[in-house]
Amino acid sequence: DAKTTQPPSMDCAEGRAANLPCNHSTISGNEYVYWYRQIHSQGPQYIIHGLKNNETNEMASLIITEDRKSSTLILPHATLRDTAVYYCTPTLIQGAQKLVFGQGTRLTINP
Amino acid sequence: GAGVSQSPSNKVTEKGKDVELRCDPISGHTALYWYRQSLGQGLEFLIYFQGNSAPDKSGLPSDRFSAERTGGSVSTLTIQRTQQEDSAVYLCASSLERGGGKVFFGPGTRLTVL
Repeated sequence: DAKTTQPPSMDCAEGRAANLPCNHSTISGNEYVYWYRQIHSQGPQYIIHGLKNNETNEMASLIITEDRKSSTLILPHATLRDTAVYYCTPTLIQGAQKLVFGQGTRLTINP
Repeated sequence: GAGVSQSPSNKVTEKGKDVELRCDPISGHTALYWYRQSLGQGLEFLIYFQGNSAPDKSGLPSDRFSAERTGGSVSTLTIQRTQQEDSAVYLCASSLERGGGKVFFGPGTRLTVL
């Protein structure tokens, strides 16, 4: 299983773009990068995933480096409701496996 | 459609008692996970069920913990002879695909062992 490194905490002003980095230098070729977030007292919520191309959905954008050893989750216009712990986790494309989370980044959006 | 549901939402028990936590996954999801999260801590993997395969029990912290999944749907996590260190939020999740799929989490069961 690939291990991940994320900064333990980050702050961002409301309305600004929040850029959350994740290092996954040991990711294997058959693993996607998945991002989840956990708002206080709730279960984690899926945000976005990608393999090697940049991805965008209604929640966020995902930038994956060419060597796939790191990625950045971008919340383009952060709101107070985006305050949460954000987890990145490499996940196999196929095959049964457990989903393992690191410590994540606690993102605080300030008014 | 309905998401992952868990019951009870809160459980308070006395040290030494057994508890059962229930998870109803999203209909049709073949994979089911249990995690626990102690106060201020990250998500700790406990056990993973995938279809008819033998479950991955590598995260269960002791033999007091067990889980079963009946009929490929509902799952029950049982903790025997509870200890105070078992106090945590127990989260269940399910996914549609074998790996590589989105995982959907339930709201969790908050267990407090007095």
